[in-house]
Amino acid sequence: TQLLEQSPQFLSIQEGENLTVYCNSSSVFSSLQWYRQEPGEGPVLLVTVVTGGEVKKLKRLTFQFGDARKDSSLHITAAQPGDTGLYLCAGDNTDKLIFGTGTRLQVFP
Amino acid sequence: NAGVMQNPRHLVRRRGQEARLRCSPMKGHSHVYWYRQLPEEGLKFMVYLQKENIIDESGMPKERFSAEFPKEGPSILRIQQVVRGDSAAYFCASSPGRPSIIAFFGQGTRLTVV
Repeated sequence: TQLLEQSPQFLSIQEGENLTVYCNSSSVFSSLQWYRQEPGEGPVLLVTVVTGGEVKKLKRLTFQFGDARKDSSLHITAAQPGDTGLYLCAGDNTDKLIFGTGTRLQVFP
Repeated sequence: NAGVMQNPRHLVRRRGQEARLRCSPMKGHSHVYWYRQLPEEGLKFMVYLQKENIIDESGMPKERFSAEFPKEGPSILRIQQVVRGDSAAYFCASSPGRPSIIAFFGQGTRLTVV
């Protein structure tokens, strides 16, 4: 069974701080996606990374796909309360997405 | 362009009843995925369907659960004889298909078994 481990599991920070969330696996994925989910809602796609070593930026969010396409990171600069939510990575496994364990982020004003 | 539509948003069933969850994919999407999420946990894959075909049901419990995606109409996830352990949020996602999976999720159906 393929597993995607995310760390940390929980993160509480003050507004303005920086943070990094990690997504690790022993398996190679053809692509990896990051989602954010708010309470009572479905996951919303943030980004897809496809090429090993790829870096994508989305405003204050920077996503990186590992060279070997087994891991990824999400870095948020100057976090804001609106960034609060559950962050999920998901690996493309041939015919389905395998989701990570999730990182719950809370940003206090 | 409407997104993935799931209904109902909330469903309460007594133990032993049947639950039917519906999912209409985004326009132009012919691939549907169902996931289950327990409180404070990630999403667990259940089944992947294309029109009239089950492609991968490796995450489906062997009994009581079934899924279909007919030629016409929404995809249906059916849970027979529900038990309290079936209480969860069930999410549907749709995708236009390869070369990579770009999955768009619905808002989910929250099933509560009492």
